[in-house]
Amino acid sequence: EDQVTQSPEALRLQEGESSSLNCSYTVSGLRGLFWYRQDPGKGPEFLFTLYSAGEEKEKERLKATLTKKESFLHITAPKPEDSATYLCAVEVWGATNKLIFGTGTLLAVQP
Amino acid sequence: DAGVIQSPRHEVTEMGQEVTLRCKPISGHNSLFWYRQTMMRGLELLIYFNNNVPIDDSGMPEDRFSAKMPNASFSTLKIQPSEPRDSAVYFCASIDRVMTEAFFGQGTRLTVV
Repeated sequence: EDQVTQSPEALRLQEGESSSLNCSYTVSGLRGLFWYRQDPGKGPEFLFTLYSAGEEKEKERLKATLTKKESFLHITAPKPEDSATYLCAVEVWGATNKLIFGTGTLLAVQP
Repeated sequence: DAGVIQSPRHEVTEMGQEVTLRCKPISGHNSLFWYRQTMMRGLELLIYFNNNVPIDDSGMPEDRFSAKMPNASFSTLKIQPSEPRDSAVYFCASIDRVMTEAFFGQGTRLTVV
């Protein structure tokens, strides 16, 4: 069964304290891995798509990386406005467009 | 475009009542998804449509749940009869032909008492 696991469940950082969120996956064939950000009371908002091991993408203080078994979302010098739940999802070959989500990491950045 | 539009934003209903959630996808997007989000299980895919045709409804929890997409600009998710365990936030999302990102609506928070 295709599965996505995110860790930690929650993370509290001081402003400027860099860290990484993990997304490990077990799937029959990875077509793409997606990172989303979700603010309270809102729908998930797209951040990145990664398609192959070794690929990296950056956006402001965020960088996403991908290996054959997991993805990391690195947050460099976070600010309070980076506080949100970060969701990872996979799309599997043979199930086009079907996203399987992890349960997310709740990030709190304190000033 | 105003994005994916869901209505209502909040719904409180009594157990046993019928509930209908509505979604208007982004114009031109040919795939639509219904998700349910709870603290315990996270985001779960209930059903998705390609070109208005249901492709995979394996996530629909039971026969009390049904979804329709009568045209490219409208979809409904119906629960009849509703139960307290159906309480959750229900999201609709749409994508265009090339899977680069899914656009989510603001969600409908359903409370069944």
